[in-house]
Amino acid sequence: AQSVSQHNHHVILSEAASLELGCNYSYGGTVNLFWYVQYPGQHLQLLLKYFSGDPLVKGIKGFEAEFIKSKFSFNLRKPSVQWSDTAEYFCAVNAGGATNKLIFGTGTLLAVQP
Amino acid sequence: DTGVSQNPRHKITKRGQNVTFRCDPISEHNRLYWYRQTLGQGPEFLTYFQNEAQLEKSRLLSDRFSAERPKGSFSTLEIQRTEQGDSAMYLCASSPGGRELFFGEGSRLTVL
Repeated sequence: AQSVSQHNHHVILSEAASLELGCNYSYGGTVNLFWYVQYPGQHLQLLLKYFSGDPLVKGIKGFEAEFIKSKFSFNLRKPSVQWSDTAEYFCAVNAGGATNKLIFGTGTLLAVQP
Repeated sequence: DTGVSQNPRHKITKRGQNVTFRCDPISEHNRLYWYRQTLGQGPEFLTYFQNEAQLEKSRLLSDRFSAERPKGSFSTLEIQRTEQGDSAMYLCASSPGGRELFFGEGSRLTVL
């Protein structure tokens, strides 16, 4: 069965620090990969997605992620975080099939201190 | 707002009662998903509809849970004889048939 691992459960950074959140998935076939963000009191929103092509994908708000197939990884990065990036971040994999359901990781809670 | 709408947003109930949640997907999205999220966990897949057909159910969906999407538009998720372990956020998502899911704000259930 497909699974997604997020290694950092809780990250605390100061504003302007760089961010990297790890995500590894287990699935040997073609995958579509996503990062969703959930700001306090809000719904899950898509941050960025990878379907195919350039393994470095850029999303909203200055976030980017790199798909490394050999490492089964899809890490999220941002060079300089802001206080408004405080949120929970979820990595997800869609292994296709008839349903296109997403399998989520357990999430990383990011707190950015001003 | 033309996003996914869920109600009620919060429901507090006593153990043993039945509860029903409603999801209105984005118009013309033929795919609809229900997920459950508990504290410290990511969303877990419960069930999937394509139009009015329920095509997949997770093993998490016990026989006390039932979901419908009668006309291929809105969907309901009913939990019968609620237990404290059912306390969670129930999320609905819809998709136009592609690979991206659009989520609602969720319905939080607290079972006392």
